[in-house]
This record gives sequence, structure tokens and C-alpha cells, in this order.
Amino acid sequence: AQTVTQSQPEMSVQEAETVTLSCTYDTSESDYYLFWYKQPPSRQMILVIRQEAYKQQNATENRFSVNFQKAAKSFSLKISDSQLGDAAMYFCAYRSARGGATNKLIFGTGTLLAVQP
Amino acid sequence: DGGITQSPKYLFRKEGQNVTLSCEQNLNHDAMYWYRQDPGQGLRLIYYSQIVNDFQKGDIAEGYSVSREKKESFPLTVTSAQKNPTAFYLCASSPWDSTFNQPQHFGDGTRLSIL
Repeated sequence: AQTVTQSQPEMSVQEAETVTLSCTYDTSESDYYLFWYKQPPSRQMILVIRQEAYKQQNATENRFSVNFQKAAKSFSLKISDSQLGDAAMYFCAYRSARGGATNKLIFGTGTLLAVQP
Repeated sequence: DGGITQSPKYLFRKEGQNVTLSCEQNLNHDAMYWYRQDPGQGLRLIYYSQIVNDFQKGDIAEGYSVSREKKESFPLTVTSAQKNPTAFYLCASSPWDSTFNQPQHFGDGTRLSIL
């Protein structure tokens, strides 16, 4: 069974600085998708960025980028020029590309990011 | 604007009572999901449905039931058999894609507590 591990329960960053959130996963599959979701105090889950495992190029979305290391099964999220609105819980998630009962998101336990003014 | 609407925002359950959480989407998505969120445990899948009139158990389905009579609606019933129902419940949907590339979109959630 696949697992997702986020080893940093809490992180803090100064406004305008850069922070990296870690995520590792365990799978025997070669084809899958990885996601980072943000959950602000409003509790709505918002997709931040996603990565297809077959793509070597790291995904980027404005100030958000990932460092995808397939061999190491690592998927970290880098937030550049941090803003107060980035303060939230961040979840890393895995999704198999095989379908059927495996077509579900498997979430890590989350990292709570605080942004200091 | 398209989106997912969950209601109510807060819900209280008495002992031995069944309660139903509503989830409606107007995104024309085929697949819908229910997750439970507990502190320190991330999100866990309760049930999911890929098409109307079909649904599958997730990892923690015991004590819950669902129905999918319409594409737009996927209500979750928390039965009296669920002994620890206090949690935050999130509904999600996604387009059906054979490559499973489509991300899931989430509602705002329902917080359920025991009276």
C-alpha cells in the first residue's frame, strides 16, 4: 500500500522569504500523480500544484514550485516570496494512475505553515 | 460560478441518531468523494462514486452510508454505528478521466460533533 509522509508538523517563515516543505512517499508503482493542497483557516482544500510522475521537469505555479526526485520518492514544495496569505496547513497527496480501487488520493498528515510579518 | 456546496457547516448528533451531510456540485463532474479529517491524521477516504448509482467503500466506510441517485448529489449518512463521528467531513469531486490525471475539487466541509 502506498503511504505519504510529511515529517514537518509545523514550519515558520518570514514574509518575503523562501520556505521548503518536505514530502516523501512509498510506492511500488511507476506511474502516478503527486499533489500539494493548501488548507487555510477557512478549511477549504485548495489545489496548489501537481506533478505527473512520468515528467522529469519540475512543476511550477507562480511562486510555488516542486522538487520531484522520483528515485528518492521525494516531492518537496518551495514557496518563494512568502506572503501572509500563504499561512495554512499544506497537505501532500499521492494518486495512482492505475484506476479502480486505487483511484483515490492518499494524504500525508500535513504541515502547518506560519508566516511572520 | 461552479463549485461544491456542503451543508450544513456545523452539525450536532445525539446518541443513537443518524445524520446526513449534504454535498452538491455543479461542475458536471462524474466522480465524487467523501473524506474524514481528524487532527494529526490528514484526510481519509470514506466512500467514493465514479458514476451515478454506483459507489465504493474507501478506507474507513464502517458506520457510514452513501447514495448517488443524481450526478450532482452525493449525500453521506453517519449512522449510529459510527461510535466516534466527531470530525471534519470534506466532499470532493473530479472529472472522470481514464488517466486519473484530474485533480479533485473540494467543498468547504461540515464539522460534526456529538451532543
